[in-house]
Amino acid sequence: NAGVTQTPKFQVLKTGQSMTLQCAQDMNHNSMYWYRQDPGMGLRLIYYSASEGTTDKGEVPNGYNVSRLNKREFSLRLESAAPSQTSVYFCASSEQWGNNQPQHFGDGTRLSIL
Amino acid sequence: SQKIEQNSEALNIQEGKTATLTCNYTNYSPAYLQWYRQDPGRGPVFLLLIRENEKEKRKERLKVTFDTTLKQSLFHITASQPADSATYLCAPKMDTGRRALTFGSGTRLQVQP
Repeated sequence: NAGVTQTPKFQVLKTGQSMTLQCAQDMNHNSMYWYRQDPGMGLRLIYYSASEGTTDKGEVPNGYNVSRLNKREFSLRLESAAPSQTSVYFCASSEQWGNNQPQHFGDGTRLSIL
Repeated sequence: SQKIEQNSEALNIQEGKTATLTCNYTNYSPAYLQWYRQDPGRGPVFLLLIRENEKEKRKERLKVTFDTTLKQSLFHITASQPADSATYLCAPKMDTGRRALTFGSGTRLQVQP
C-alpha cells in the first residue's frame, strides 16, 4: 500500500500563476486534509473534507480552493499564487472525522512562488 | 487565545539516555492529545494518542503522560538511539468546536552516538 501519495514533490511558480496539488489515498479513509508547514509555525490546516462530497475551511483558507473528487482524491488549487504561499504542503487522511483517529500524511509538496 | 507550546530549541542527548520532550497548552482543556514524529523531508507519522482520562500511555520505548492540571504532556523515549533523531510534534484537540487537531511547531531531538 502506498498510503497517501502527493504530486508533484517540488514546484516553482511565478506570482500570479495557478496550480493544482494532487493527493490520493488508498486506505479507504473517509476524511482528508490539506496543511501547510512553515518554519516555526507548525502545521496549519487549510481545508478539510470530513467525508466524500463535503469540504470545509480550516485555519488558513484564503487564496486556496479544494475539490474532493471522490473518496480517494482531494486536490488543492492555488488560483493566483503569491509569494506568501511559498511553503511545504501536506495532505493527510484519517479513517473518520471527529473521532480519536490518527492522521496519515503524505511526504509533501515543496512549493516556491517567485 | 488557545496556544500550544513546544520547545523550539533542539534537544541533544547521548545514546542510551532518556529523552523528555514537553508540550504545554494554555486556555483550554483538550479531550485528547496525539504525538507525531517527522523526519526531514517527510510527512509526520503518528506515534501515540492519550485521552484526558489517561495519565500515561506506553508503546515499546515510548511513554506519554498527560497532566490536565499542569496543562502539559510529556513525551519520553527511553534507551534512546541515533535513529530516534527527528522532530516530534504534539497535537492536542483544540476546544474550538470544529473537532480538528492543531499541531505544535515541534521539538527537534538529536541523539548522539
